[in-house]
Amino acid sequence: NAGVTQTPKFRILKIGQSMTLQCTQDMNHNYMYWYRQDPGMGLKLIYYSVGAGITDKGEVPNGYNVSRSTTEDFPLRLELAAPSQTSVYFCASGNTLTGAQYFGPGTRLLVL
Amino acid sequence: ILNVEQSPQSLHVQEGDSTNFTCSFPSSNFYALHWYRWETAKSPEALFVMTLNGDEKKKGRISATLNTKEGYSYLYIKGSQPEDSATYLCASLDNYGQNFVFGPGTRLSVLP
Repeated sequence: NAGVTQTPKFRILKIGQSMTLQCTQDMNHNYMYWYRQDPGMGLKLIYYSVGAGITDKGEVPNGYNVSRSTTEDFPLRLELAAPSQTSVYFCASGNTLTGAQYFGPGTRLLVL
Repeated sequence: ILNVEQSPQSLHVQEGDSTNFTCSFPSSNFYALHWYRWETAKSPEALFVMTLNGDEKKKGRISATLNTKEGYSYLYIKGSQPEDSATYLCASLDNYGQNFVFGPGTRLSVLP
């Protein structure tokens, strides 16, 4: 199993550009999550999904959108990139609500 | 939003020393607690999943305890090694939430 994969690894965006961060898991997990990690801060939840077709906002959803058309994929969309969205983004998945989460390698995003 | 705190923020110990750090969370409506180990340039990896008051988990030289009545968990590392250097995250879930809230982490440096 590849586990959780994320693409791209690194991206530079100009203010106002849009992009999609890809996340795929091959463990047949129902739960998937998007976090951002800012320097000196913990992981903040952006969006999560409890199954295909179901998504919900986390703590910091503004400026982002998600979709979950399949169990495997959970892309995160930035419509109008802003410098405040410069961060490292982690996707994670889990089999149950209380079970351990498995994290992808992260995407480092720089918005200039 | 659930408030999860960790202390200390950072810690430097000598190789061979034993150490411990704390995760604090609201005790009301507790549901589950996770500990993760996060090495630099990697992604977080689950260490322990804990749900019951009085739980004690062990993995090699690392162990954790849980007190849900007073809202804290301790992580212990016995005989620290340089490879234990990492940030240790805890995350808590309450009965009302649909997702875990992460603490800011404790950064451990083990000096050879």
